Amino acid sequence: ILNVEQSPQSLHVQEGDSTNFTCSFPSSNFYALHWYRWETAKSPEALFVMTLNGDEKKKGRISATLNTKEGYSYLYIKGSQPEDSATYLCASNSGYSTLTFGKGTMLLVSP
Amino acid sequence: DGGITQSPKYLFRKEGQNVTLSCEQNLNHDAMYWYRQDPGQGLRLIYYSQIVNDFQKGDIAEGYSVSREKKESFPLTVTSAQKNPTAFYLCASSIRGGRTTTGELFFGEGSRLTVL
Repeated sequence: ILNVEQSPQSLHVQEGDSTNFTCSFPSSNFYALHWYRWETAKSPEALFVMTLNGDEKKKGRISATLNTKEGYSYLYIKGSQPEDSATYLCASNSGYSTLTFGKGTMLLVSP
Repeated sequence: DGGITQSPKYLFRKEGQNVTLSCEQNLNHDAMYWYRQDPGQGLRLIYYSQIVNDFQKGDIAEGYSVSREKKESFPLTVTSAQKNPTAFYLCASSIRGGRTTTGELFFGEGSRLTVL
């Protein structure tokens, strides 16, 4: 089982603030890094799947970077809005393991 | 609309009873998965199936059983052998499966099982 760590555990920001979360994972035999957004009472939805070192992906105000050599990924939200409030999950898989999820970062954006 | 349908949404069970959670997908995906969520923990993989009539144990398979007789269906049975069955269960699918998959997962809305 891979060890996938996310920080912080939770975050409370004001509307308009920019924020970022971290996901760390084992770098050996890396295959992919996934980010999901999970809103309360809904299904988790994929934000990004990243495979290459140095990958940067963007979807609206949300972007993510990937460093496979050192084993971390950052998720950035620019100008947070209340509708960004959700739990953000990262997950990684390798040649030795199926997709393993971190515990998530719970984001609350206050108006 | 295409997606994953899980039922029931809420389920109560007495100790000693088996219970089956349904998961159906109409996305024509080869791979399907069952995850369990407990408070303060990440999603943990119970079972997965990469193709019809084939499935593999995940990290926490003890006390669970699955079948994959049809591509679109992957029911999970929580047996009486599962010591702590009260949890939130999520079903997911992806176009293809396996340890080297890079495909995103599509999730259902989950089933909450409570053992009384």
